[in-house]
Amino acid sequence: DTAVSQTPKYLVTQMGNDKSIKCEQNLGHDTMYWYKQDSKKFLKIMFSYNNKELIINETVPNRFSPKSPDKAHLNLHINSLELGDSAVYFCASSQASGVPSQYFGPGTRLTVL
Amino acid sequence: DQQVKQNSPSLSVQEGRISILNCDYTNSMFDYFLWYKKYPAEGPTFLISISSIKDKNEDGRFTVFLNKSAKHLSLHIVPSQPGDSAVYFCAANTNRDDKIIFGKGTRLHILP
Repeated sequence: DTAVSQTPKYLVTQMGNDKSIKCEQNLGHDTMYWYKQDSKKFLKIMFSYNNKELIINETVPNRFSPKSPDKAHLNLHINSLELGDSAVYFCASSQASGVPSQYFGPGTRLTVL
Repeated sequence: DQQVKQNSPSLSVQEGRISILNCDYTNSMFDYFLWYKKYPAEGPTFLISISSIKDKNEDGRFTVFLNKSAKHLSLHIVPSQPGDSAVYFCAANTNRDDKIIFGKGTRLHILP
């Protein structure tokens, strides 16, 4: 019973394609996030959603569109993929109150050829 | 501009000894500091945190020390065990928003 799950784990695709990564959490958390870990290993937040509402949008290109059908799911759709989009993408979730610890999914390694 | 810095990319420590991972930050408005542990091909796992109003927090073998005047925190693991070999991320957050700022990580190797 994985707390935060992502699919797929690996994604290899051509430049210009459109792809989606799915994330689900069964922790009952109110807030979900997408992070990108680039080749330099920095983990940077891209988006956060609280109860299906966009809270944080960190100047990510508008080719990236998060979608939250309900508070347990936050999917990431990427249009017109570019080489620089190659990275590991992590989904995370947290409760709104208390210590701001976030629970991360296992990551999706995206490779754009 | 890196607000959270981990200047040691890697650290090797003998099993049973103390591991000390260091972290510096620049933003004096941070309210919480956190340490995450990451194994290969897995997501980061929350380890321990400390509020900015404290200077020490202990949880089993893990202790985090905060020196606000120096804008420095450290994670002590004692005794170090083989399963502690992982990448450790220092992170920080303000209560103003949900954003956690991560350092670049330090890879800890526990030697037999």
